[in-house]
Amino acid sequence: DIQMTQSPSSLSASVGDRVTITCRASQSISSYLNWYQQKPGRAPKLLIYAASSLQSGVPSRFSGSGSGTDFTLSIGSLQPEDFATYYCQQSYSTRWTFGQGTKVDIK
Amino acid sequence: EVQLVESGGGLVKPGGSLRLSCVVSGFTFSDYGINWVRQAPGKGLEWVSSISSSGSFIYYADSLKGRFTISRDNAENSLYLQMNSLRVEDTAVYYCARDDSGANDYWGQGTLVTVSS
Repeated sequence: DIQMTQSPSSLSASVGDRVTITCRASQSISSYLNWYQQKPGRAPKLLIYAASSLQSGVPSRFSGSGSGTDFTLSIGSLQPEDFATYYCQQSYSTRWTFGQGTKVDIK
Repeated sequence: EVQLVESGGGLVKPGGSLRLSCVVSGFTFSDYGINWVRQAPGKGLEWVSSISSSGSFIYYADSLKGRFTISRDNAENSLYLQMNSLRVEDTAVYYCARDDSGANDYWGQGTLVTVSS
């Protein structure tokens, strides 16, 4: 299976900060990489698909980049509603895998 | 409005079985693949299984070792997950999610499966 490794596992940030989360695949996955946001007790929400395409309805402060094995999710100016856990997920292989998650909390 | 609603979770003893259901509305069910994803308490997301729009292509996580079976009934807009030989480590919230070209764009609210003696 393709392993997905996110870093950091957690971070503390303030409202207005720019935040970057990285995701590395154990082999090349082209651009078959998605990002999700999950808040406690809620289902995940798709933010970015195909590495850099913004899902409909998602604020433009979220952006994604990368291809091959290295990817990033950036939040341009952190808002109070952005404190959550973020997951990357590859769909290159038929057996999808998720990263372990990055928890973003308030500094 | 797109909706996916899971049901069938509950408390079961190790070695027991459960059948989860996911009923969808608001889109043409037969046009989309669907996935099951689970989340153990306090842990991350784990992909469980996928089924293509017609049901012709099915995939499972290796960790399931043949204990789970995914199926769908396009006439009933329903997806199923038959879970046998359940283990304590299968305890999780199970989500069904619509697959739009490799991304889960809509998710259900989840159903909790607890495996405990």
